[in-house]
Amino acid sequence: EVQLVESGGGLVQPGRSLKLSCVASGFTFNNYWMTWIRQAPGKGLEWVASITNTGGSTYYPDSVKGRFTISRDNAKSTLYLQMNSLRSEDTATYYCTRDRIIRGFDYWGQGVMVTVSS
Amino acid sequence: DIQMTQSPASLSASLGETVTIECLASEDIYSNLAWYQQKPGKSPQLLIYYANSLNDGVPSRFSGSGSGTQYSLKINSLQSEDVSIYFCQQNYDSPYTFGAGTKLELK
Repeated sequence: EVQLVESGGGLVQPGRSLKLSCVASGFTFNNYWMTWIRQAPGKGLEWVASITNTGGSTYYPDSVKGRFTISRDNAKSTLYLQMNSLRSEDTATYYCTRDRIIRGFDYWGQGVMVTVSS
Repeated sequence: DIQMTQSPASLSASLGETVTIECLASEDIYSNLAWYQQKPGKSPQLLIYYANSLNDGVPSRFSGSGSGTQYSLKINSLQSEDVSIYFCQQNYDSPYTFGAGTKLELK
């Protein structure tokens, strides 16, 4: 059974940093791209970052480029999201997803809440 | 960026009815479109990919169609467990954008 379990969320002040983790199980982690998607309270979904199966390439929207860094440790089947210079608009539930590229995000974690507030 | 416009924003339907949700892309996305279902308080789940391919385990009452800029999700014989928010998403070009969602309720 595929499982994605996120951790590392919480309350953080504007301008500070936070690092999310996602432990994957039930599939061969190093065969798949992975993606972070977020959802602000009561709002829609926003793509945050993607990484290739080897970790050799990463992709970001302009809203987080230069502030967020996606990475992975294939030996530990773990995905990360380092979030720096956090803003109030980064407040959201962050989902770790398995990315089948044109076949969509086929597995999602339970999500982890990040609240940016003073 | 490619804009994804979903309609309607909300709809109410009766058990057993057929409902259709539309998604319009601001440019041709060549069928690179997925549909997701998000039940209340839960994570989204993939229903359809590549416009019309049913994801594993998804009931056959769900179907997707469309091409170019216009796409739709059809739910036949509406069940109570289909009460959800439905999102479309284009994976043709970065940034990979989502529609704002359609909230489906029972009448």
